[in-house]
Amino acid sequence: AQSVTQLDSHVSVSEGTPVLLRCNYSSSYSPSLFWYVQHPNKGLQLLLKYTSAATLVKGINGFEAEFKKSETSFHLTKPSAHMSDAAEYFCVVSDLGNNDMRFGAGTRLTVKP
Amino acid sequence: GAVVSQHPSRVICKSGTSVKIECRSLDFQATTMFWYRQFPKQSLMLMATSNEGSKATYEQGVEKDKFLINHASLTLSTLTVTSAHPEDSSFYICSAGGGAGETQYFGPGTRLLVL
Repeated sequence: AQSVTQLDSHVSVSEGTPVLLRCNYSSSYSPSLFWYVQHPNKGLQLLLKYTSAATLVKGINGFEAEFKKSETSFHLTKPSAHMSDAAEYFCVVSDLGNNDMRFGAGTRLTVKP
Repeated sequence: GAVVSQHPSRVICKSGTSVKIECRSLDFQATTMFWYRQFPKQSLMLMATSNEGSKATYEQGVEKDKFLINHASLTLSTLTVTSAHPEDSSFYICSAGGGAGETQYFGPGTRLLVL
C-alpha cells in the first residue's frame, strides 16, 4: 500500500524567503502525487499534482514540486513566501493501481512578517 | 472547476442520535466518492470508499454499522453516523473525482459535535 511521510510537522519562514516542505513517498505502482493546502476553516485546495508526465510540476500561487524517483521524494517549494501562504499543507499519494489517496500528516507553514 | 458540496457544514447533536451528512458533486458525475475524518491538528484519515450502486468499502478499523454510507446516485453520497457518541466528534470531509491516480475534489467538510 502507498504512504507518504512529511518530514516536518511545522515550518516557519520569513516573508519573502524561500519555502521548502518535504515529502517522501512509498508506492508499489507508478504513483500520482499531490500537494493540497488547507487554510483555517476552509476546504482543501489542490496546489499541484504529478501524474507521470514532467517531473517538475508547477502549481498555483507560485508553488512547484519536483518528482525524484531515485529519492522517492516530492518536495514542495516556493521562491518567496507570502503572508497568505500560512496554512496546513498535505502531501498525498495515490497509486494508479487503486483509487484511494493517502495523506501525509501535514506540515503547518508559518510566515513571519 | 469541479465543485463538491457538503451539508450540513456544522452539526451539534445529542449522544445516541444519528446524523446524516450529504456529499454532492455539483457539476460532474462521480461513480466513486471518498469519506475522510480529520481530528484537530491531524491529517485526514480515509474512512471508506463510496461506490455508486454498490456497497461501500471500509478501511480497517472503521465500523461499517456505525458509519453507514449510501451512494444512491452519481452525484450524491451520504454518511450517517449512527448512535453518535462524543468520541465521534470530528471533521468529516468527502471527496469526488476521476479514476485511479486522478485529482480528487474535496468538499468543505462537516464539523460534528456530539454532546
